[in-house]
Amino acid sequence: ETGVTQTPRHLVMGMTNKKSLKCEQHLGHNAMYWYKQSAKKPLELMFVYSLEERVENNSVPSRFSPECPNSSHLFLHLHTLQPEDSALYLCASSHDKTGRLGYTFGSGTRLTVV
Amino acid sequence: AQSVTQLGSHVSVSEGALVLLRCNYSSSVPPYLFWYVQYPNQGLQLLLKYTSAATLVKGINGFEAEFKKSETSFHLTKPSAHMSDAAEYFCAVSAQGAQGGSEKLVFGKGTKLTVNP
Repeated sequence: ETGVTQTPRHLVMGMTNKKSLKCEQHLGHNAMYWYKQSAKKPLELMFVYSLEERVENNSVPSRFSPECPNSSHLFLHLHTLQPEDSALYLCASSHDKTGRLGYTFGSGTRLTVV
Repeated sequence: AQSVTQLGSHVSVSEGALVLLRCNYSSSVPPYLFWYVQYPNQGLQLLLKYTSAATLVKGINGFEAEFKKSETSFHLTKPSAHMSDAAEYFCAVSAQGAQGGSEKLVFGKGTKLTVNP
């Protein structure tokens, strides 16, 4: 148990489906992150939330839509995805947005788009 | 802007041999440095971190790293590799941006460690 829980662990969806990834942390952290990890590619930072406010959006396509209703929960809403969106999606949290104390990662959601 | 370079995308060692994974960073201000480990289909787990205290940092699972400012390096070592050390390792740097700008972790591309029996 890492303190950051991601559900589901695995997800297979068609290109016309709508699904959501969920991330939950009870570490008292104020910042949360979504990362995409594809095979043979570096970690890609997608979104950063600090105190429930989105502070960074790294040119992510609009078919990915994040939501942070409170400092403990983070969602990634998915719709009309493409096969190249298949990847491991990692959620992380940190004490604050500087990350100086490091990030705590969840175990990830393995997404397959068919 | 800060950046991290991990030399060698793949490293292979024999069980019981020394593990050395290289990381060089670029930062215009004193950095915070981290090593993470990722096992297959898992998230990243913090191994150790340097936060401007002792330059030799000890982490979990027998790993340690030494901060060398003159070489801008933060290499990860372990005296004797175990089969269970086979995983991917990521170096990361966090530093305050110029003029108090946004600070966050920047990750290297990772080094996959294979341990041979």
